[in-house]
This record gives sequence, C-alpha cells and structure tokens, in this order.
Amino acid sequence: DSGVTQTPKHLITATGQRVTLRCSPRSGDLSVYWYQQSLDQGLQFLIQYYNGEERAKGNILERFSAQQFPDLHSELNLSSLELGDSALYFCASSRVGRIYGYTFGSGTRLTVV
Amino acid sequence: DQQVKQNSPSLSVQEGRISILNCDYTNSMFDYFLWYKKYPAEGPTFLISISSIKDKNEDGRFTVFLNKSAKHLSLHIVPSQPGDSAVYFCAASASGDDKIIFGKGTRLHILP
Repeated sequence: DSGVTQTPKHLITATGQRVTLRCSPRSGDLSVYWYQQSLDQGLQFLIQYYNGEERAKGNILERFSAQQFPDLHSELNLSSLELGDSALYFCASSRVGRIYGYTFGSGTRLTVV
Repeated sequence: DQQVKQNSPSLSVQEGRISILNCDYTNSMFDYFLWYKKYPAEGPTFLISISSIKDKNEDGRFTVFLNKSAKHLSLHIVPSQPGDSAVYFCAASASGDDKIIFGKGTRLHILP
C-alpha cells in the first residue's frame, strides 16, 4: 500500500457519459498530480494541484477538469466521454520539492464502450 | 513531442546478467532524472534518481548514469533477478518545476 488511494479501481461507461475519479494523497503530501496512461503511451501529465490550488497544467482536454478539496483529496472529472478516453488514470502525491519524487496510487482503469 | 524518449519498448535479459535500460531527453532545462518501476495492476514506484550535478548514482544493484552532453541516461541492474521483470519508466523534471515528464517505458523480461 503506497498510501495514495484511488477509487474506483475499474470503471466501465458509455460514450457521452461523465465520470469522476477520486484520489486521496499520502498523509502529509500537499501536491496531487494526475496522469493518463493510454495503450502504447507513457504517462501523460494532465494536471497538478498544490494545497487546493491548480499549479500546472499539461495536455488536459477541455472536457476534463479537476479540483483539490480542503482535506487535500482530489477529483478528476471526465465528461462527454469518447472511446479514446479509455486509459489508466493515475494519481500521485508528493511533498514539496522534486527530490522526494512521487508516490503513485494503483490507478483507475476506465473503459469507454 | 516526446521530451523523454525510451526507444526500446522491450528488453530480455538472462537472469544474473546485466540489464541496461536507456533513455534520451531533449529538454536542456531538465536537471533532475528519475527511474520508476511498474508491475501489472500497480502504480509506478520510485526506484532511483540523479541530479544533473552528478554523473552516477548507485543504490544496491541499481546504478543510473547521466551523460549531460549527450542528453542520455541509463539504468544498470546487476545482477538481474526474476523480480526485476517489470516496465521501467525514465522521467525528468526542470528546475523550478516539480512536475515530472515520463517516457513511454521499457518492458524488461528476465529470463530464467
């Protein structure tokens, strides 16, 4: 158990629908990062939050949004889902500073049918 | 545009031999490099890192080498063990930026 909790582990939904993925960071970590891993792709950075505020944005589609709540858990909202959104979505958390690296959750596998 | 490139999707190595995984980067602002290991159905786990002020960092069986002029780094695992079979991600970040950019990964198979 890495200490980063992601729910649900698996999600199957239809095109056009909206889903919410949840992440609880490791205790004491203020930063949360979301990554997408599609087939044949590496880990694509989506977005970072630090202590409730958006800190950095990557290749995140406009149909996707995220937020970090006062208790530091984060949610990634995916709407108007398309088949190509099927992927593994990972959340990671870190303390301040790069030398600590990230601690990843075990991911949510999203399948859009 | 892939800023971190792992050109070998897979690699097979005999148990007990040395595994060498390679990684190239294009962004000259990167100054901190990491390797992550991933087993199926699990998230990536941190393995080893290196700052650009060094050219080598060692941790047990794992050594990372950095060649800044060539924008190249490599991970050496010696001796390779069956439990090393996994996907290895090379990653990098730039000063002042705590997000990490990952490569596509290399699947390592350790053969008995």
